[in-house]
Amino acid sequence: DVKVTQSSRYLVKRTGEKVFLECVQDMDHENMFWYRQDPGLGLRLIYFSYDVKMKEKGDIPEGYSVSREKKERFSLILESASTNQTSMYLCASSFTPVANQPQHFGDGTRLSIL
Amino acid sequence: GESVGLHLPTLSVQEGDNSIINCAYSNSASDYFIWYKQESGKGPQFIIDIRSNMDKRQGQRVTVLLNKTVKHLSLQIAATQPGDSAVYFCAENYGGATNKLIFGTGTLLAVQP
Repeated sequence: DVKVTQSSRYLVKRTGEKVFLECVQDMDHENMFWYRQDPGLGLRLIYFSYDVKMKEKGDIPEGYSVSREKKERFSLILESASTNQTSMYLCASSFTPVANQPQHFGDGTRLSIL
Repeated sequence: GESVGLHLPTLSVQEGDNSIINCAYSNSASDYFIWYKQESGKGPQFIIDIRSNMDKRQGQRVTVLLNKTVKHLSLQIAATQPGDSAVYFCAENYGGATNKLIFGTGTLLAVQP
């Protein structure tokens, strides 16, 4: 089974802090994704990466950056945390170059910015 | 903590009954669709997928139906069990090989004993 592991289940940070969320997958997947999930809004794509050191903006990249130095690890960075970034953050991965593959998710990090 | 089930449409069924969860997708060019289950405090879990060249696909106790004419997807769960209680949402692939997905907002399935 695919295993996507997010380093923290719960995280509390203060406004203005730089926050790192880490995600590791064990299936040698090329694609990795970061989403945030808010009630009533569903999953919204922040950034994705289709290879090491490659990244593309998703639908809501403002206030975030990402890093992919190794294939199995994809980090989401909140450069200067703000209260409107309080949310559930979900990491996912999928296999390419075969198209039409499901994304597999971690269990999420619930981030609170005070 | 705050649940992703808030603000969602809810389907309430009796244990042992069949459940049907519906989803309208947005892009007529989408060629791949997935159903996910999300239990409280967990990430979305893959249930079943279907490609646009198919109308129906069956798994264990689940069936997905695709109607491309009206851009409609449904998930049928047979003999619903308490462990099926969760938020279910569909996703469509609009990104080709990059597997970018558009997600629906979900339906909360509540199974009554």
